[in-house]
Amino acid sequence: DVKVTQSSRYLVKRTGEKVFLECVQDMDHENMFWYRQDPGLGLRLIYFSYDVKMKEKGDIPEGYSVSREKKERFSLILESASTNQTSMYLCASSLSTSGGPGPNYNEQFFGPGTRLTVL
Amino acid sequence: GQQVMQIPQYQHVQEGEDFTTYCNSSTTLSNIQWYKQRPGGHPVFLIQLVKSGEVKKQKRLTFQFGEAKKNSSLHITATQTTDVGTYFCAGRNAGNMLTFGGGTRLMVKP
Repeated sequence: DVKVTQSSRYLVKRTGEKVFLECVQDMDHENMFWYRQDPGLGLRLIYFSYDVKMKEKGDIPEGYSVSREKKERFSLILESASTNQTSMYLCASSLSTSGGPGPNYNEQFFGPGTRLTVL
Repeated sequence: GQQVMQIPQYQHVQEGEDFTTYCNSSTTLSNIQWYKQRPGGHPVFLIQLVKSGEVKKQKRLTFQFGEAKKNSSLHITATQTTDVGTYFCAGRNAGNMLTFGGGTRLMVKP
């Protein structure tokens, strides 16, 4: 089974703190993603990466950065946390973003999520 | 940018009733995925639809992809309490970007 793990389930930080959220997947997936989930807004893509040291901005990258030094690990960084970054953060990975063999080739596998509260 | 709208946002049903959630994209999609998120859990992939007009079934769940590849629906027949959760559609555009809808939260009264 694909396993995606995230470093913390719950995190409480203060405004202005630097926050690191880490995600690890064990299935050698090329692609990794960071989303934030807010009620009524669904999942919004922050950043994604399709290879080591590669990153692409998603729909809401402002206030965030990412790092992918190893294939299995994708980190989300909040340089200076703000209260409007209080949210559920979900990491995901997938084998491919394009078509491939089988109908579910670009299925995304999600981690359990980190609920971040910024005070 | 691409927008994916999903309705309704919430739905209460009595156990045994049917349920449908609808997904509409502002642009033509190359494929659409559906995910289910149980309360307190994370989204789990259900299915992917690729072809225009495609219909797929998984037990009591029926998934449809519109002829124009801009809309999709998930229909659950005779809901059970185990169907509780939030159902998300996610549309992939020609640029390979996946955009999630806002989700429909299904609540089932026993």
